[in-house]
Amino acid sequence: GNSVTQMEGPVTLSEEAFLTINCTYTATGYPSLFWYVQYPGEGLQLLLKATKADDKGSNKGFEATYRKETTSFHLEKGSVQVSDSAVYFCALRNTGNQFYFGTGTSLTVIP
Amino acid sequence: DTGVSQDPRHKITKRGQNVTFRCDPISEHNRLYWYRQTLGQGPEFLTYFQNEAQLEKSRLLSDRFSAERPKGSFSTLEIQRTEQGDSAMYLCASSRRLAGGGTDTQYFGPGTRLTVL
Repeated sequence: GNSVTQMEGPVTLSEEAFLTINCTYTATGYPSLFWYVQYPGEGLQLLLKATKADDKGSNKGFEATYRKETTSFHLEKGSVQVSDSAVYFCALRNTGNQFYFGTGTSLTVIP
Repeated sequence: DTGVSQDPRHKITKRGQNVTFRCDPISEHNRLYWYRQTLGQGPEFLTYFQNEAQLEKSRLLSDRFSAERPKGSFSTLEIQRTEQGDSAMYLCASSRRLAGGGTDTQYFGPGTRLTVL
């Protein structure tokens, strides 16, 4: 089957700290992988994506690399800001165009 | 482009009543998705349309749930004989089908929060 497992939160970091949010997946075929972000009071927004193995998605200083050998798509950012405080969701899209989301990881960045 | 809109934003109903939600996708998007999200969980896929055709339905979508997209534009999700377990946020998203059959970025609406008393 298809599923996504991501690191449980909540995560609290100081401004300028390094961020990693782990995400692993189980899928049949060759899925595409996504990170979505939900800022307080707002809807889900795409943060970055990767459509094939070894692709690196990047946006707003965040990066994630599609690792087929470890079935992972960990989200990283070198220096977080208070404005990065949000809930982050890892997701996969299977070949049937169905999306599967992780449970979300809440990040709070304190000044 | 005003984004994906959903109506209503909130709905409170009594157990056993029927409810209907509407989603208006981004105008040039031919794919439309429905999800359900409960507190502390990620969105769970319910169903998706390409134009007016309903192509996939999750096992989560019981017989009490039905979705339509009659003219390939807006969509409705109806829940009959609501139960307390139906209380959740119902999200709609839309995207374009890319040449070659792939799917472009999904854009999500703000959701409809359903509370069943």
